[in-house]
This record gives sequence, structure tokens and C-alpha cells, in this order.
Amino acid sequence: SSELTQDPAVSVALGQTVRITCQGDSLTNYYASWYHQKAGQAPVLLFYGEDKRPSGIPDRFSGSSSGNTASLTITGARAEDEADYYCSSRDRSGNLVVFGGGTKLTVL
Amino acid sequence: EVQLVESGGGLVKPGGSLRVSCAASGFNFSSHSLNWVRQAPGKGLEWVSFISSSGSYIYYADSVKGRFTISRDNAKNSLYLQMNSLRTEDTAVYYCATDKTGSSFDNWGQGTLVTVSS
Repeated sequence: SSELTQDPAVSVALGQTVRITCQGDSLTNYYASWYHQKAGQAPVLLFYGEDKRPSGIPDRFSGSSSGNTASLTITGARAEDEADYYCSSRDRSGNLVVFGGGTKLTVL
Repeated sequence: EVQLVESGGGLVKPGGSLRVSCAASGFNFSSHSLNWVRQAPGKGLEWVSFISSSGSYIYYADSVKGRFTISRDNAKNSLYLQMNSLRTEDTAVYYCATDKTGSSFDNWGQGTLVTVSS
């Protein structure tokens, strides 16, 4: 079982803002990273560290953290944002990596 | 342009062995740590293994420790995963990914499918 917990499914109306969360004890010590994965494709890194976004990722994707919960916020959701979203972080030992179970985002 | 191309997947019987490879190009391979991440059909992502740039540091998920071996050849810009004592639950697409910060993976290959079945 994953040490990072995500809601299995979230929906958002087109153009609205949605927050996807990730909970785990290790997040009190380590930042989360966020990915999305569209059907049949490899994951894509969206946000990592305290405030880092890889080049080419739109600024409507942003991350935040509070206590044992990390969040990915999508501001102004688009139809193309419909995908599975995963968080990752180090585990409590600091040596291994864990992924959350994933959140399926539906854009209505 | 960074490219990671996995190969070597296929059908193998339970208890069997397989080696998957990842050929890299478009970046300074010997300066980057690398990971294997897998995804069982219809399931989420699972981190499998990490290797540092020089190969000095190696870590494995508990689910594969003692059965899988990660290695790299910096002269050939290649990453490997030797998988022994394979189980049906090892069936997955195996991705190689470059390591940005230790738990964030910024470049991914398209994956290679490993199927363990009798």
C-alpha cells in the first residue's frame, strides 16, 4: 500500500479551479512532486520542490504544501487537463521514493 | 532533445529472468541519477529502483529487493534492470526516468512491457 494517499477521482467544470491533494507523513519533511499521465503516454512532471515548474509547463499548474498534505492546483481547467495525476516524494527513511495512488481528473 | 528508449520487454514465465535496457541521448548521461518506475496494467505508478550518476548509490523498493539489480554503463549511455525470480505481479510497463531532485523525475521513456505469465 502507498504511503501517500490521494483521492481516487476528482471532477472540475471547464474553466474552474481544482485542487488535488496528497497526504502522507513523509510530506512533513520532503516536498512532493506532481505528474500527469494521459492514456497510453508516459507521465509528465508538472511541479516539484517548493515552487519549481519545469520549462514548458503552463503556470496554471501550481503546487503548495501544509503539514502532511501537498496540493496541486489547476487554475482555469482545460479539457486537455483530463488525465491521471500522481504525487511522489521520499519515504520516511529518505532513501526510497513513493507514489500516491493517483487521482483521475474529469473536466466537465 | 533528451531521449530515453527502453527495450527488452517481453513474455517470461514465473521464476524466469529478463533484462530491460534504457538507451539515453541528448544530455550528459554520466552526470544524472536514474530510476526505474513501473506501472501494472490499469494501475498506478510504482517506483522500482534508483542509481546515482557514478553507480555508487543504489536503492530498491521492498517489492523487488533481492530479485532485481539496477546497473548502468556510462560509456554506452545505457541503464539496465536485471530481473530475476519474476512473479506474475511484476507484470508492468517499465519506464526509465532521469532524476531531478531525488524524488522528481523530469524525463521519461515510453516504457517497455514485461509480462510474467505461464
